Amino acid sequence: EADIYQTPRYLVIGTGKKITLECSQTMGHDKMYWYQQDPGMELHLIHYSYGVNSTEKGDLSSESTVSRIRTEHFPLTLESARPSHTSQYLCASRQADYSPLHFGNGTRLTVT
Amino acid sequence: AQSVTQPDIHITVSEGASLELRCNYSYGATPYLFWYVQSPGQGLQLLLKYFSGDTLVQGIKGFEAEFKRSQSSFNLRKPSVHWSDAAEYFCAVGAGAGTALIFGKGTTLSVSS
Repeated sequence: EADIYQTPRYLVIGTGKKITLECSQTMGHDKMYWYQQDPGMELHLIHYSYGVNSTEKGDLSSESTVSRIRTEHFPLTLESARPSHTSQYLCASRQADYSPLHFGNGTRLTVT
Repeated sequence: AQSVTQPDIHITVSEGASLELRCNYSYGATPYLFWYVQSPGQGLQLLLKYFSGDTLVQGIKGFEAEFKRSQSSFNLRKPSVHWSDAAEYFCAVGAGAGTALIFGKGTTLSVSS
């Protein structure tokens, strides 16, 4: 029933590789977010976007970058993956500031 | 700055017993509050939300939560837990326009038979 899709679900990759995590939503939401989730920790906001051509860094410092060329698409890129990037990455969107977030199923990234 | 505290890292409840998960927030004005549930390998699913009005809100799967301004709390309850409720539960607070949601560290619920 999810209207927000993340690919791949799982990714194991070697150090130094460039990777892009995909996130797409079909709800027409302007606001999209990337959170990083580690076991036993709160979700940390790493990037967000309030619309096309709008991107901002979140509270948690991240070496990743994002782009928002189309409303429905909000990919996250790591230019050179490191073991410290091993984590689960959750993409979310919402209609307005006071609306609930809709989450994708996440991408679990392991960097060896 | 706003923050969310979920004091219980892990709770085990017998199937059929009642459940209460605690959530405390820090914010000067009236926040808007959410509870989410996450099953293993999945994203977060919204259980319920509070914006204003009635302080007791009903959600999906038989969950409810009560907003208590005097205690800065938004505790989640369920009268009778089912084995399928075993999951991780996150409380989140939003502070207003232009701000993203702040999440607690989560509470893992185990259900024993």
